[in-house]
Amino acid sequence: DIVMTQSPDSLAVSLGERATINCKSSQSVLYSSKNKNYLAWYQQRPGQPPKLLIYWASTRESGVPDRFSGSGSGTDFTLTISSLQAEDVAVYYCQQYYITPRTFGQGTKVEIK
Amino acid sequence: QVQLQESGPGLVKPSETLSLTCAVSGSSISSGYYWGWIRQPPGKGLEWIGRIYYTGNTDYNPSLKRRVTISVDTSNNQFSLKLNSVTAADTAVYYCAREWGDYEGSYYFDYWGQGTLATVSS
Repeated sequence: DIVMTQSPDSLAVSLGERATINCKSSQSVLYSSKNKNYLAWYQQRPGQPPKLLIYWASTRESGVPDRFSGSGSGTDFTLTISSLQAEDVAVYYCQQYYITPRTFGQGTKVEIK
Repeated sequence: QVQLQESGPGLVKPSETLSLTCAVSGSSISSGYYWGWIRQPPGKGLEWIGRIYYTGNTDYNPSLKRRVTISVDTSNNQFSLKLNSVTAADTAVYYCAREWGDYEGSYYFDYWGQGTLATVSS
C-alpha cells in the first residue's frame, strides 16, 4: 500500500492569511508516461461528505475558488489556501489514485486563529 | 446532476453482517465508471473499502477483503456493500462515491453520497 502522510495534523490561521498543508506519499505517484501525478485533495466540512477540490495534484475542480491551489510532484505535495475564509474551516485530505488500495492521508484540520 | 444515496440499517449486532445499498441517480451505473465504498469511524480519517465496475469486476482493500462483498444491480442503478463478522471497530459513517475515469483508467472520487452511520452494538 502507498502510505500518505500529511503535516501538520492541525493548523490555525488568521482570516485572510495563507494556509499550507503538506502531503507525502511513501512511493511516487507520478505516472511518468503521462506526466501526471495521481493525487487528489478533498475538503470535509463538519457533518458533510468529502468534497473534491484538486485532482492531478494541481487541477482545480469546477467551482472551487481560485484561492485553493495544489502543487508538487512525485512524493511531495502541497495544498495552499492563499487567503483563508471562514467557510474554509474543515479537515483536508490528500488521496492517491495511482494504485489500489486507494489511500488517504490522516487529515489536516484547519481552524481560524 | 449525479446523486448518490446510501441506505441500510443504522444498527448491526456484533458478528452479524452489515448491508448497505447506494442508489445512483443522474448517471447510469453502466456508464463506464467504478463505484466505491469509503468509511470513516467517528472522529477519524477515511478508509477505502473497495469498488465495483458495472461488469461486476471488483477490487477490495486487503485489510477487509476476507469480509467484504460489493455487488452491482444495473437494472435498479445501484450497488451494495456487505461486510460480515462485524465488530465495534466497524462502526463508521459509510460513504458511496463515484470514481471518475476514462478509457485509460479510473481516478479520483468526484461525487459522494451524504453517508450513513452504521453502529455495531448489541
